[in-house]
Amino acid sequence: KQEVTQIPAALSVPEGENLVLNCSFTDSAIYNLQWFRQDPGKGLTSLLLIQSSQREQTSGRLNASLDKSSGRSTLYIAASQPGDSATYLCAVGDSGAGSYQLTFGKGTKLSVIP
Amino acid sequence: NAGVTQTPKFQVLKTGQSMTLQCAQDMNHEYMSWYRQDPGMGLRLIHYSVGAGITDQGEVPNGYNVSRSTTEDFPLRLLSAAPSQTSVYFCASTPRKGIPSSGANVLTFGAGSRLTVL
Repeated sequence: KQEVTQIPAALSVPEGENLVLNCSFTDSAIYNLQWFRQDPGKGLTSLLLIQSSQREQTSGRLNASLDKSSGRSTLYIAASQPGDSATYLCAVGDSGAGSYQLTFGKGTKLSVIP
Repeated sequence: NAGVTQTPKFQVLKTGQSMTLQCAQDMNHEYMSWYRQDPGMGLRLIHYSVGAGITDQGEVPNGYNVSRSTTEDFPLRLLSAAPSQTSVYFCASTPRKGIPSSGANVLTFGAGSRLTVL
């Protein structure tokens, strides 16, 4: 059974810092990996999706990398802003069903201090 | 284009009562799913559907029923509510797997339904 771990569980940084969120998974036979953002009391918003054949994806200040062989992904946030404060979730799509059966990590709660 | 719409946003039930959480999407997505989110547990898959008339169980299906009579709707039914079903429920959808579009495989979530069972 796939297990997804996110470290750290919580992170507090001053505004302007670059930061890295980590995600690890136990079964490397994945279809894709997605990073989501969740604001308190809200649903999830997809940030980046990396197919299993890709190594990274970029969107604005966000960059996600994928190393299937080591079972790791990182989300890099450049020049953090208070508006980036949220919980970031990593989810792995299994090789049989892709995005339709995702295994989620428990998330990293990010606080960016002005 | 409303995306994924869930109703109700909040609901309080008594143990043993039944209810239906509604989910509708207007993006013509073939795949729909239901997750529950509990503190310290992350999101867990309850049921999913790969198209109208086809449903299957996820990781935690006990106590829940689903049906998919149309592409747009995927209701989740609680047959006899229990306190252990207190949670936040999310519906999500995605386009048909394998279609090489920019939106392929990206999961779109609804805003959630917060359920409390007393």
